[in-house]
Amino acid sequence: AQKITQTQPGMFVQEKEAVTLDCTYDTSDQSYGLFWYKQPSSGEMIFLIYQGSYDEQNATEGRYSLNFQKARKSANLVISASQLGDSAMYFCAMREGPLGASYGKLTFGQGTILTVHP
Amino acid sequence: DTGVSQDPRHKITKRGQNVTFRCDPISEHNRLYWYRQTLGQGPEFLTYFQNEAQLEKSRLLSDRFSAERPKGSFSTLEIQRTEQGDSAMYLCASSPHDQPQHFGDGTRLSIL
Repeated sequence: AQKITQTQPGMFVQEKEAVTLDCTYDTSDQSYGLFWYKQPSSGEMIFLIYQGSYDEQNATEGRYSLNFQKARKSANLVISASQLGDSAMYFCAMREGPLGASYGKLTFGQGTILTVHP
Repeated sequence: DTGVSQDPRHKITKRGQNVTFRCDPISEHNRLYWYRQTLGQGPEFLTYFQNEAQLEKSRLLSDRFSAERPKGSFSTLEIQRTEQGDSAMYLCASSPHDQPQHFGDGTRLSIL
C-alpha cells in the first residue's frame, strides 16, 4: 500500500524568501512518480511539478524545484522567491508504476497550508 | 486550450435525494479520473476511465455511486440516496496517456 506523509499542517514565509514543504512517501514499487499540486482557496488543483523515480536529476519548473532523496523516500517542494499568490494548500501525491504504463491514479498526502506574508 | 470543466460548481440537496455531476475533460485526453476530497484532507481516488471503459473503482465507491463515460467523452458521477457522509468536493481530472493529470474546479456537494 502506498502512503504519503506531509508533516507540516501549516507553514509561514516572508515574501521573496524561499520555503521548503516536506513530503515523505512509502512504497514497495521500484517505479513510481511524485507530484506536487497547489490548491488555492477557490478549489482548483493546479499541477506544479513531477519527479519520476528513475530521474537522476531533481525536477525544476520555474520557481519550483523538487528535492528528491530516493534513499530517504522524500520529495520536498522548494519554492524560491515566494509571492503573495503562492498562499494556498499544497499537496504531495504519488502514482504507482511508470508514467506511461500505469493507470495513473494518485495517492495524496493531507496537504500543507502555506501563508506568504508581505 | 480549455481546461477540465465540472458542473455544477455547488450542489445542495436533502439527504436521500439523488445527485448527478458532470465532467468534461480536455478534449484530447483519453484518461479520466474522479476523486473525492473532504474538508482538510487530500483527494481520494474513486474511479478511472480509459476512453469509455471503467477500468478501476475504489472501495470508497459504494453501490450508491455509479460513474459513466459514454463514447469516451464527458463523464457523469451519480450518487443515489445521498447520506450526510457524502458531503465533499468531487474532483474530476483528465490526462493523455503519459502526462500528469489536470483537474477541474470540482463540484462541492452539501447534504442537508
